[in-house]
Amino acid sequence: TQLLEQSPQFLSIQEGENLTVYCNSSSVFSSLQWYRQEPGEGPVLLVTVVTGGEVKKLKRLTFQFGDARKDSSLHITAAQPGDTGLYLCAGGQGGSEKLVFGKGTKLTVNP
Amino acid sequence: NAGVTQTPKFQVLKTGQSMTLQCAQDMNHEYMSWYRQDPGMGLRLIHYSVGAGITDQGEVPNGYNVSRSTTEDFPLRLLSAAPSQTSVYFCASSYRGEVFEQYFGPGTRLTVT
Repeated sequence: TQLLEQSPQFLSIQEGENLTVYCNSSSVFSSLQWYRQEPGEGPVLLVTVVTGGEVKKLKRLTFQFGDARKDSSLHITAAQPGDTGLYLCAGGQGGSEKLVFGKGTKLTVNP
Repeated sequence: NAGVTQTPKFQVLKTGQSMTLQCAQDMNHEYMSWYRQDPGMGLRLIHYSVGAGITDQGEVPNGYNVSRSTTEDFPLRLLSAAPSQTSVYFCASSYRGEVFEQYFGPGTRLTVT
């Protein structure tokens, strides 16, 4: 069974701080997706990375795919209360319809 | 476009009752799936479909049935509800390709007493 381990499980920070959350596996994935989920809503796709070493930026969010395609990180610069939510990573295998989801990092940004 | 819609938003069942969770998408996506989300367990795949008339089991299929008669609709049926099926259920859809980027519905919160 392929597993994606996310850390930390919970993170509470003050507005303006920087943070990094991690998504790790012993398996190789052909793609890695990051989603954000707000309370009472479904997850929303933030980004997909497919190439080892790839870095993508989405405003204050920076996503990186590990060189070996077994891990990924999400870095948020100058966090804002609007960044509060559950961040989920999901790994895909080429051509497979099944995504493997991590359990998520619950981020709270306090004003 | 409405995207992925789910009904009902909330539901309470008694043990042994049956019900159908509805899911529809208007994006002409071939792939649709059902997940359940439980505290500390993340999202777990129940069933999925790669097109009309084609369904397959995911990680936790027991106690659930699905069918896909049209591209747009993918209902999830609970034949005899059990307290262990208390959860939040999400339907998702995507295009078929090398990367299955999921569009999720708003979820159905189900409580079985």
